[in-house]
Amino acid sequence: QTVVTQEPSLTVSPGGTVTLTCASSTGAVTSGYYPNWFQQKPGQAPRALIYSTSNKHSWTPARFSGSLLGGKAALTLSGVQPEDEAEYYCLLYYGGAYVFGTGTKVTVL
Amino acid sequence: QVQLVESGGGVVQPGGSLRLSCAASEFTFSNNAMHWVRQAPGKGLEWVAFIWYDGSNKYYADSVKGRFTISRDNSKNTLYLQMNSLRAEDTAVYYCAKGAYGVDYWGQGTLVTVSS
Repeated sequence: QTVVTQEPSLTVSPGGTVTLTCASSTGAVTSGYYPNWFQQKPGQAPRALIYSTSNKHSWTPARFSGSLLGGKAALTLSGVQPEDEAEYYCLLYYGGAYVFGTGTKVTVL
Repeated sequence: QVQLVESGGGVVQPGGSLRLSCAASEFTFSNNAMHWVRQAPGKGLEWVAFIWYDGSNKYYADSVKGRFTISRDNSKNTLYLQMNSLRAEDTAVYYCAKGAYGVDYWGQGTLVTVSS
């Protein structure tokens, strides 16, 4: 049973920077896992932010960026806005099957 | 504007069956792989199933393998999820989502409640 682990919660001040990570129980995350990142606010469907590690969708704000960091996928929010308070999920590809991360609750305070 | 609209959710007894649909519009459905993803009340996202653009390959989460079947009708621009032998732990909002290596658009979801 593959497990993808994220920080349960992170707190950041408005205008600050925060990095979320996504780790695989199978070992280091590489570009071959095609990491995707999603934002979900209460009562809403998820919204796609990043695909294939670092590519942004046309609607993704510039302050969101994706990377690989220390064997994990990472999502960095720079210049955080109050509206960035949400749950964030990563998604990894395992050769046909996919697994979502456990999710990170980001609080802007 | 890409649209994905799920339907078919409802209340079903344990052991029962349900078929979900996802109607797609404003993009070339037959060129795109599709997913089903679910979210139990108050819980995180769980990937359920994936189907290639032409239906030739299908993949399932272990939790639903042998009970759920993903399919598509490209002539009707519609994705399906046939759910059999339903359990209480299948209670969730079910979303369809578009894309393979890059998942971009999501529907608004349909609620499935498994309860006696």
